[in-house]
Amino acid sequence: QQQVKQSPQSLIVQKGGISIINCAYENTAFDYFPWYQQFPGKGPALLIAIRPDVSEKKEGRFTISFNKSAKQFSLHIMDSQPGDSATYFCAASRAFGDYKLSFGAGTTVTVRA
Amino acid sequence: DTAVSQTPKYLVTQMGNDKSIKCEQNLGHDTMYWYKQDSKKFLKIMFSYNNKELIINETVPNRFSPKSPDKAHLNLHINSLELGDSAVYFCASSQWDRGQSGANVLTFGAGSRLTVL
Repeated sequence: QQQVKQSPQSLIVQKGGISIINCAYENTAFDYFPWYQQFPGKGPALLIAIRPDVSEKKEGRFTISFNKSAKQFSLHIMDSQPGDSATYFCAASRAFGDYKLSFGAGTTVTVRA
Repeated sequence: DTAVSQTPKYLVTQMGNDKSIKCEQNLGHDTMYWYKQDSKKFLKIMFSYNNKELIINETVPNRFSPKSPDKAHLNLHINSLELGDSAVYFCASSQWDRGQSGANVLTFGAGSRLTVL
C-alpha cells in the first residue's frame, strides 16, 4: 500500500519552462516531506525538504509548496535546465523518530534544450 | 572520498545462485538501509540497522539476509536467486538532524544492478 501518491509519472518540458510534480499523502502523522533527485546510474540524493509549519520553501530554482489541509505538496522547478533531467521522488515520514521514509513512485523529468 | 560505497556495481548471475552485495559508509552515521529499486524505479525499503541492530525488516523473502558487522558496514546476501530479484539495490545511511527539522536525511550509494538470467 503506497502511502504517498505522486504524479505525473513523467513529463517533458522545454528549457526555461516550469516543471511541476504533485504528491498526496494519507497519514496525518507525517510531518517531514523531502524531495530526492536521482540521475541515471546514481543513487537518489536529497534535493529540498519542508516541514508543515511553512507553506512554501524555496532553494534556488526549486520550490516546495505545501497544503496541509489538502494533504498535498508539490515541487516546482523554475527555469528548467537540461541538467535538471532526472527522476524526482517525493517522500514523507514523521520527524524526530521515524526511520522509514515512504517514497512516491517517482517522476522522470526531461528538459529539452 | 565516496560517502556510501557498495560493491559490486553490476552482478549478472543464473537463477538459483547465491550472491552478496557489500556496503560501507564513512560518514559516521548510526543507521544503514537496503532499498530495492525495480524496473519502474519504485524505491522499496527492505531492511534497516541502527548501531548493528535490525530495526526495519519489511516483507522480504527470507532468501534475503542482511548482516551488519559494525555500524559502518551493511551487507546483503541473497540465496537461491530468482528472476524477480533482478533490480537495482541501493545501500543508504542516515543521521538525524537534531536541529529544527528533525529530519532523517538519507545518503544513498550508487547502487548495485543485479540481473538474474
